[in-house]
Amino acid sequence: DNVLTQSPGTLSLSPGERATLSCRASQSVNNKFLVWFQQKPGQAPRFLIYGASSRATGIPDRFSGSVSGTDFTLTISRLEPEDFAVYYCHLYGGLYSFGQGTKLEIK
Amino acid sequence: QVHLVQSGAEVRKPGASVKVSCQTSGYSFALNYMHWVRQAPGQGLEWMGWINTASGDTNYAQKFQGRVTLTRDTSVTTVYMELTRLRSDDTAVYYCARDFYYDESGGLDVWGQGTMVTVSS
Repeated sequence: DNVLTQSPGTLSLSPGERATLSCRASQSVNNKFLVWFQQKPGQAPRFLIYGASSRATGIPDRFSGSVSGTDFTLTISRLEPEDFAVYYCHLYGGLYSFGQGTKLEIK
Repeated sequence: QVHLVQSGAEVRKPGASVKVSCQTSGYSFALNYMHWVRQAPGQGLEWMGWINTASGDTNYAQKFQGRVTLTRDTSVTTVYMELTRLRSDDTAVYYCARDFYYDESGGLDVWGQGTMVTVSS
């Protein structure tokens, strides 16, 4: 099984700051199948990034994804109040595994 | 606009079964697979399986093999998830999510609002 490990577990930042969230795969991954979701309390996940770096429709350009080997990164360039949420990485295809999530909280 | 509308909350006793529906609208039903993902209270996301809405073919996570059945009714553009032999640790919010495949890439792009299933004696 390809396990996705996200870090940190919790990230405390202030609005306006830059957020960097990591997701590491335990085995080689086809970059085209790495996805990021945002989830707020009581809501369904929101599709943010697919193919490791392509923004989904309607996603602001402050959200970006990148990859280096088996390390994937979600970057939020300047945090807005509505960005504080839990973020999950996801491997689309195969076992469709999810990372355990990173909680982005207001400092 | 694409919508996935799920059925309401359910309460079941251990050992019982539950069937959750996901009614779709706003797109061509048979062109996209549908997945089911669940989330236990305070926990992360767990993939359960998908159904090919055109053919009815299914693929289930090994953990749920033998207990979960995904079906669809093309006449009402609705997908169903049935989970049997319920246990207390099946208490979770169950989501349907549309499969999006584009340019050799993809993901789960539209989600239902979720259905809370509580298993309690």
